[in-house]
Amino acid sequence: AQSVSQHNHHVILSEAASLELGCNYSYGGTVNLFWYVQYPGQHLQLLLKYFSGDPLVKGIKGFEAEFIKSKFSFNLRKPSVQWSDTAEYFCAVTGGSSASKIIFGSGTRLSIRP
Amino acid sequence: GEEVAQTPKHLVRGEGQKAKLYCAPIKGHSYVFWYQQVLKNEFKFLISFQNENVFDETGMPKERFSAKCLPNSPCSLEIQATKLEDSAVYFCASSPTRTPRDEQFFGPGTRLTVL
Repeated sequence: AQSVSQHNHHVILSEAASLELGCNYSYGGTVNLFWYVQYPGQHLQLLLKYFSGDPLVKGIKGFEAEFIKSKFSFNLRKPSVQWSDTAEYFCAVTGGSSASKIIFGSGTRLSIRP
Repeated sequence: GEEVAQTPKHLVRGEGQKAKLYCAPIKGHSYVFWYQQVLKNEFKFLISFQNENVFDETGMPKERFSAKCLPNSPCSLEIQATKLEDSAVYFCASSPTRTPRDEQFFGPGTRLTVL
């Protein structure tokens, strides 16, 4: 069955710390990978996406993610977090030629201490 | 419009009452998706439309839930005889194509509280 796992439920960091949020997926065939962010009281926004090519993907607000096919992983990273990065982060996958529904991970809550 | 619009923002219903949620996709987008988010996580896909046709309804509960996208009208998601476990935020998203690579643009959600 298709699934996305985010093992960190809640991460607490200080400003300027480096961030890495884990994401593993289980999906047969070609996958498209996404990271979405949900700031408090706001709707989902796309941070970055991977379809093919360079496995290191750069997104908005200084975020990047690396697709490692052998590990079925797509971890999100940021070298130096800010208080404004406090949000819920969702890893997601779509795949196949016509199955365009998004399968989301359970989310990681990121809290940044000022 | 340039954004997905959802109404109402909040909806409170007593158990057994009907709830109806609306979604206006971005102009020009042919695909509409409904997701249910329970307890601030665990997004669950419900149903998708290509224009007014159901595209994928594998996530829709067999009972009580129905959805429509009619021409020149907002799409709607209706829950008959709501239950406590229906309390969730319901997100609508739209996309210009069905290609899995295309971004789905999400609306602000409707928070349904069933008392």
